[in-house]
Amino acid sequence: GENVEQHPSTLSVQEGDSAVIKCTYSDSASNYFPWYKQELGKGPQLIIDIRSNVGEKKDQRIAVTLNKTAKHFSLHITETQPEDSAVYFCAASMGQGGKLIFGQGTELSVKP
Amino acid sequence: DADVTQTPRNRITKTGKRIMLECSQTKGHDRMYWYRQDPGLGLRLIYYSFDVKDINKGEISDGYSVSRQAQAKFSLSLESAIPNQTALYFCATSDSGAGWGTDTQYFGPGTRLTVL
Repeated sequence: GENVEQHPSTLSVQEGDSAVIKCTYSDSASNYFPWYKQELGKGPQLIIDIRSNVGEKKDQRIAVTLNKTAKHFSLHITETQPEDSAVYFCAASMGQGGKLIFGQGTELSVKP
Repeated sequence: DADVTQTPRNRITKTGKRIMLECSQTKGHDRMYWYRQDPGLGLRLIYYSFDVKDINKGEISDGYSVSRQAQAKFSLSLESAIPNQTALYFCATSDSGAGWGTDTQYFGPGTRLTVL
């Protein structure tokens, strides 16, 4: 079955710097790749997603890139702010409401 | 997301006890999921249900059972709790009729379960 590896497990950046979180997946049939943000004491919330028919998607300060050949996808956060501090999860699935397989999570800390 | 509620939010129990975690949603979604979260392991799927009459095992169903009492309610039971079931448990929902949005899952606030 699908396996998703996420790195790094922790990431500390200064406010205003960029942050990059990387994931790899094993099943080439996966075609949907969401990113979730989990704030302290809350459930994960979708922040951005990408499907296999595109290579990059942006939404204000966040972007996701996908390399289907290498089976890699990454989350990029620019101009980080303290409120970006959270745990971020990547996931992969075959779409159409199929099961999501999550990565291990990255704890991002943005220092003022 | 206030549309997905979980009860209780925290529970401490003893080994061997039966525990039920409940999830309710007002989003009108047909699909519901149960996950557990452990540090360093991410979120792992326990069970999922695509409608009231459909129940499926996830990656780690051993030691757990579920009941879909209605479209809006999905309960997770631990028949005889053991310490390694100590974790954070999340319920999630999705809408099969949402077109490209079908894949989006909406999570509840979680239940922190401690088994002594």
